[in-house]
Amino acid sequence: ELKVEQNPLFLSMQEGKNYTIYCNYSTTSDRLYWYRQDPGKSLESLFVLLSNGAVKQEGRLMASLDTKARLSTLHITAAVHDLSATYFCAVDLPNAGGTSYGKLTFGQGTILTVHP
Amino acid sequence: DTGVSQNPRHKITKRGQNVTFRCDPISEHNRLYWYRQTLGQGPEFLTYFQNEAQLEKSRLLSDRFSAERPKGSFSTLEIQRTEQGDSAMYLCASSPRGKAWSTDTQYFGPGTRLTVL
Repeated sequence: ELKVEQNPLFLSMQEGKNYTIYCNYSTTSDRLYWYRQDPGKSLESLFVLLSNGAVKQEGRLMASLDTKARLSTLHITAAVHDLSATYFCAVDLPNAGGTSYGKLTFGQGTILTVHP
Repeated sequence: DTGVSQNPRHKITKRGQNVTFRCDPISEHNRLYWYRQTLGQGPEFLTYFQNEAQLEKSRLLSDRFSAERPKGSFSTLEIQRTEQGDSAMYLCASSPRGKAWSTDTQYFGPGTRLTVL
């Protein structure tokens, strides 16, 4: 059974600081997704990482994927208050035949709070 | 297209009643997913449709749960004889996976929050 673990689960940051959220998963996969969720809202797609070594950046967020280590990171640069939200990573595990149909297994989420 | 829509947004029901939720995916998205999210947790996969065919069901989906996607368009999720443990946010997502222009992203709807009293 695929397990996806994020750490930290809670992150309190000062504006302007840098930090990294880690996402470890237990079974080989080369499809990993990062989502953002604001309180009471649905999930917003941030990044799709589809190969080993993939790196994507959008604004103050950068995500990377190391499939050999089964690890993805979400790096936050110079945090601002607007980044306060819950961040989820999710892994798409192919079935026994190697076909991937998008059955996502999510981590527990990292609640990020950015303080002035 | 304005994205994935779900109705109702909120549903309060008494234990033992049946409820039905609707999801309208983004047009041209052939894949549709249902997830359940409880407070403080990540979404959990429930079921998946490719067009009108239901290809995968989680063991979380007991016999009281049924989902359909007639004609490969909108989908419904019905819960019979609701229990208090069914209280959660039910999320629908759609994806254009498998198409040449696909970005392999699942786009989520706003969810239906179910409260079973």
